[in-house]
Amino acid sequence: GAVVSQHPSRVICKSGTSVKIECRSLDFQATTMFWYRQFPKQSLMLMATSNEGSKATYEQGVEKDKFLINHASLTLSTLTVTSAHPEDSSFYICSAPGTGRVGRNIQYFGAGTRLSVL
Amino acid sequence: LAKTTQPISMDSYEGQEVNITCSHNNIATNDYITWYQQFPSQGPRFIIQGYKTKVTNEVASLFIPADRKSSTLSLPRVSLSDTAVYYCLVGVQDQAGTALIFGKGTTLSVSS
Repeated sequence: GAVVSQHPSRVICKSGTSVKIECRSLDFQATTMFWYRQFPKQSLMLMATSNEGSKATYEQGVEKDKFLINHASLTLSTLTVTSAHPEDSSFYICSAPGTGRVGRNIQYFGAGTRLSVL
Repeated sequence: LAKTTQPISMDSYEGQEVNITCSHNNIATNDYITWYQQFPSQGPRFIIQGYKTKVTNEVASLFIPADRKSSTLSLPRVSLSDTAVYYCLVGVQDQAGTALIFGKGTTLSVSS
């Protein structure tokens, strides 16, 4: 099956710093990727849709200036949490739809990034 | 996207068959039913997808009645490692730009 690599798996940072999370589709191209956020014992919440070569689409209530998304190539999307604060501490997960050879538009998820802001 | 309803939690013992039913009364003609599994601190993993009747793979079976208003994920002879959250999702799977909207999922706890 298709593989989505997400890095780093864990980040601990001080309040006010920015953190970049990378999401790569390893053996397929993804013109669209999705970013989710998950709090403990809760379900995944869609934050934004990342589109290669164009601006990301953010869900209602998600600050686009706070969560910067860049999808510069067909295999890489990045999420930057700017000026992180303790309330941004969460589990961030990316996904990409596989098409054709790797599966009929089934979503493949990264392993997630645990962000802890002190 | 069609809303789904599934039990919040289920308990089972090793070796038993577990059936998790998901209701999706407003499923549309083009919608597929997909199940994902998530372990703590990991991203969800695709289990199985179907449109109607029965689908089986090496991991699970998916039963979908004729009216498609519900579906049942069947896990044969579960083990401790099957303890996870299981999500049922319904949506048009042939559109690459469509995100998945997750419900609360079913937390399955398998005991020895």
